[in-house]
Amino acid sequence: SQTIHQWPATLVQPVGSPLSLECTVEGTSNPNLYWYRQAAGRGLQLLFYSVGIGQISSEVPQNLSASRPQDRQFILSSKKLLLSDSGFYLCAWSVRGPNSPLHFGNGTRLTVT
Amino acid sequence: DAKTTQPPSMDCAEGRAANLPCNHSTISGNEYVYWYRQIHSQGPQYIIHGLKNNETNEMASLIITEDRKSSTLILPHATLRDTAVYYCIAFNSGGGADGLTFGKGTHLIIQP
Repeated sequence: SQTIHQWPATLVQPVGSPLSLECTVEGTSNPNLYWYRQAAGRGLQLLFYSVGIGQISSEVPQNLSASRPQDRQFILSSKKLLLSDSGFYLCAWSVRGPNSPLHFGNGTRLTVT
Repeated sequence: DAKTTQPPSMDCAEGRAANLPCNHSTISGNEYVYWYRQIHSQGPQYIIHGLKNNETNEMASLIITEDRKSSTLILPHATLRDTAVYYCIAFNSGGGADGLTFGKGTHLIIQP
């Protein structure tokens, strides 16, 4: 069966520090991969999605970036965190093809201080 | 994606059926109706999706009206663990990888 792993589960970082969140998927090949963010008391916002290695589409311009160095690995990064980057970051995957449901990881709760 | 409208909150007694409504009056013919739920501090969990016909799985049933302008998610025997925010989403990926757009959902509270 397919599983998705995100780490770390929680993270506290100072303003201006770099960020790297990692997500890996097991049990499937060529998945679509996604990064979402959920700010406190707000809905889920799609940040990036990827259909393959090195292929990244950005939904919202900001100081975050994403990379997909391997088929089942998706990384969210920032060079300098802002206070507004605090939130709950969720990775998701889906089978490639139309109307396949997304499956989410357990998320990383990031607090920027 | 078509806009969906859900009540902000609902209560249901434990052991009873929870019926969560969703309006999607502008849904297009090729958009599916998806339901997810999010338990506090966890990632959203996929529940079910459908296009025209009613669907059932081990978690829930999805009833879509004939005109497809609304749907109802049914949890047949609600338990305390079903307390969560439930999201109804109308979406068609068109073969691409566009992500789902989540609204505010319905906060379902199961009462003991």
